[in-house]
Amino acid sequence: GDSVTQTEGQVALSEEDFLTIHCNYSASGYPALFWYVQYPGEGPQFLFRASRDKEKGSSRGFEATYDKGTTSFHLRKASVQESDSAVYYCALGDPNAYKVIFGKGTHLHVLP
Amino acid sequence: DPKIIQKPKYLVAVTGSEKILICEQYLGHNAMYWYRQSAKKPLEFMFSYSYQKLMDNQTASSRFQPQSSKKNHLDLQITALKPDDSATYFCASSRVRVNYAEQFFGPGTRLTVL
Repeated sequence: GDSVTQTEGQVALSEEDFLTIHCNYSASGYPALFWYVQYPGEGPQFLFRASRDKEKGSSRGFEATYDKGTTSFHLRKASVQESDSAVYYCALGDPNAYKVIFGKGTHLHVLP
Repeated sequence: DPKIIQKPKYLVAVTGSEKILICEQYLGHNAMYWYRQSAKKPLEFMFSYSYQKLMDNQTASSRFQPQSSKKNHLDLQITALKPDDSATYFCASSRVRVNYAEQFFGPGTRLTVL
């Protein structure tokens, strides 16, 4: 079945570091790909989406490019801030069903 | 004003009992969903509804029953509760079909089963 694999566990960075969280997917066709962010005690929030090859999604300084060749949608940010500390989820819109499949989440800690 | 309301915020239940989790959305969306989040499975899709009709069910157990009395309501009834059901349950909605659309999540109901 369709699946999403992302950088597992925790990523610790200092402020102004460059961030990359890897996300790879397995699905047929052209599924929509998403990034969500979840802060403690809250529900996940939509960051952005891309739905075709080479399309770039971006929001709040974060960006990712849909790459069908490598089946990837890696999240990047040039300079992280302490306020970016949260759990980040890569997700895939299942093209054959009425649902979204989430990765296991990556916990980002940004140290001041 | 909160756009998606979930009640209660915290819920403690005893094994074998039944509870209903409430969800109302005021975004004018036509599709609603339930997710479960626990340490074992970070964010797990449970159900999707569109125009009050069940579209997808990924929950193996019939103990979990969604109920849609109005277009902007999707409650979740859980019967014969087990300690393994302890988790935070999130309701979400989207304007159009979730495969391509931004979802908005509620604040969650944290359920603890003793």
